[in-house]
Amino acid sequence: EIVVTQSPATLSVSPGESATLSCRTSQGVGHYLAWYQKKSGQAPRLLIFDASTRATGIPARFSGSGSGTEFTLTISSLQSEDFAIYYCQQYNFWPLLSFGGGTKVEIK
Amino acid sequence: QVQLVESGGGVVQPGGSLRLSCATSGFTFTSHGMHWVRQAPGKGLEWVAVIWFDGSSEYYEESVKGRFTISRDTAANTVYLQMSSLRAEDTAVYYCARDSGRRTVYGYSDVWGRGTLVTV
Repeated sequence: EIVVTQSPATLSVSPGESATLSCRTSQGVGHYLAWYQKKSGQAPRLLIFDASTRATGIPARFSGSGSGTEFTLTISSLQSEDFAIYYCQQYNFWPLLSFGGGTKVEIK
Repeated sequence: QVQLVESGGGVVQPGGSLRLSCATSGFTFTSHGMHWVRQAPGKGLEWVAVIWFDGSSEYYEESVKGRFTISRDTAANTVYLQMSSLRAEDTAVYYCARDSGRRTVYGYSDVWGRGTLVTV
């Protein structure tokens, strides 16, 4: 079983500051990692795939990095609409797709 | 405009059955694999099942194997999740999601529906 661990569980950030979110997998997944944004009552939104490629329409302030077992999502200059829960998901080990537990980015 | 609209959620007794539907539009349905992902109250996202773009393969999360069945109707551009022997722990919002691959399945989803609530 591939365990995906996100940290921290909650991140308090002031608007305009940067946020760095971590995602760790229990086994190497290469670059097969995606990041999603989830707001209450809304559908999840794909932000990043293949660890570092921004999805269509995603602002440049969202960036992803990492490979193997350690990954990072960085949100620079946080906007009000960026406060949400962020999930990472590995898709290297078919058919066992797995998500992390999420990081909540809240207003400080 | 690409759209996924789930329906069929509701309240069901433990041991009961329910069929969820996901009506799709705005893209070539036969080119994309389709996933179901759920989110229990206060919990994170959990992948449930996937069906290949041509219906040739399907895979399930361990806890739903033998109880849930994913299927697709090409004529209706709709994907289904038949759920049986439902348990309290199946209570969640169920999301339908399109796999990003075209005539292949990558494993991550680029379009999601708004979800339908199942309460057991």
